[in-house]
Amino acid sequence: DVKVTQSSRYLVKRTGEKVFLECVQDMDHENMFWYRQDPGLGLRLIYFSYDVKMKEKGDIPEGYSVSREKKERFSLILESASTNQTSMYLCASSLGLLGYTFGSGTRLTVV
Amino acid sequence: KQEVTQIPAALSVPEGENLVLNCSFTDSAIYNLQWFRQDPGKGLTSLLLIQSSQREQTSGRLNASLDKSSGRSTLYIAASQPGDSATYLCAVGHYDYKLSFGAGTTVTVRA
Repeated sequence: DVKVTQSSRYLVKRTGEKVFLECVQDMDHENMFWYRQDPGLGLRLIYFSYDVKMKEKGDIPEGYSVSREKKERFSLILESASTNQTSMYLCASSLGLLGYTFGSGTRLTVV
Repeated sequence: KQEVTQIPAALSVPEGENLVLNCSFTDSAIYNLQWFRQDPGKGLTSLLLIQSSQREQTSGRLNASLDKSSGRSTLYIAASQPGDSATYLCAVGHYDYKLSFGAGTTVTVRA
């Protein structure tokens, strides 16, 4: 089975800090995604990548950037964390147009 | 823009009853449809994936149907158990690799 691993389950960061969320997949999937999930708003796409060094903005990219230097790793970067970025962050990968596999999520709290 | 609706938002049933979860979508130009399960505070676990050319998929007690022309999918869970208590999310897959999610149905199975 494909495994998508997010490096942290819980993170607490201070306002203004630069935050890195890491995601690694082990099945050579070319597509990787970052979502955030908030009560009442559901899952919203932040960024996705369809190849190494390629990225596209999703629905809510403001305040975020991403990095994909290797095929298996997709990092989400909060340049200057703010309290409204407190959320559950979910990473996913897919092979072409086949189904998605999600990681277990990172609960980020910005204080 | 694709709109995905899940009805009901919440469901409570006694153990042993069959569950019927509904998902509707507005744009039939989809590539596939995927059902996920999410436990509180956790990531998404894929349950079933139906390609747009398929009518249904089955896995154990789970059966999902797809009627692309009418924009509907139904997830059936037979003989429900307390361990089936979770939130179930429907996600429509598009040709641009993105997913559109419903808000989910939260299921409680009473022992």
